[in-house]
Amino acid sequence: QPVVTQSSSASASLGSSVKLTCTLSSGHSTYIIAWHQQQPGKAPRYLMKLEGSGIYRKGSGVPDRFSGSSSGADRYLTISNLQSEDEADYYCETWDGNTRVFGTGTKVTVL
Amino acid sequence: EVQLVQSGAEVKKPGESLKISCTASGYNFPTYWVVWVRQMPGEGLEWMGNIYPGDPDITYSPSFQGQVTISADMSITTVFLQWSSLKASDSAMYYCARLECHDGACYSAYWGQGTLVGVSS
Repeated sequence: QPVVTQSSSASASLGSSVKLTCTLSSGHSTYIIAWHQQQPGKAPRYLMKLEGSGIYRKGSGVPDRFSGSSSGADRYLTISNLQSEDEADYYCETWDGNTRVFGTGTKVTVL
Repeated sequence: EVQLVQSGAEVKKPGESLKISCTASGYNFPTYWVVWVRQMPGEGLEWMGNIYPGDPDITYSPSFQGQVTISADMSITTVFLQWSSLKASDSAMYYCARLECHDGACYSAYWGQGTLVGVSS
């Protein structure tokens, strides 16, 4: 079963960019992941599906400021022109057959 | 529009039983997987299990196998999560989510609003 690893926190200034990383475990570097955002006190929200090729497919209404990319076993979420409402926890999700796994989440702070 | 509406918050005592629900609308209910996810206070998301209502095909996370039961009622397009004997450690927020599948990839694309469960004597 795959494991996904995320750093616990990241911070950046209002209007700048931040790049979050989700790293797939050995033997699972080609896996597709999904990124989710969870604002404080709210349910998670699907942001995008991201392939190992770097191709991503965003959910409805997700701002253009959110983009995805990949390199080897790493899957990235970049938030450009950071806004106050982007302060949230970000989780990656992957799966293997009928089993699923979430990363531990990265807390993004907007300075 | 796809919607998942979960039942309201619950407060229970240890040893009591509980069944929470996730009512779906806006899509063909039997043909999409629904997952349950736990979030303990201040912690991350944990996958509990999936159900494909049309079969039904159910898969549990090893961490939750035998601890909960997932079921579905197609007549009311609702998925359930139930406990036969709650523990204090079951206190958490529980989310349902519907999977979207494209090109062999199935991801949690639609989320319910969550059900808060509190277990205390």
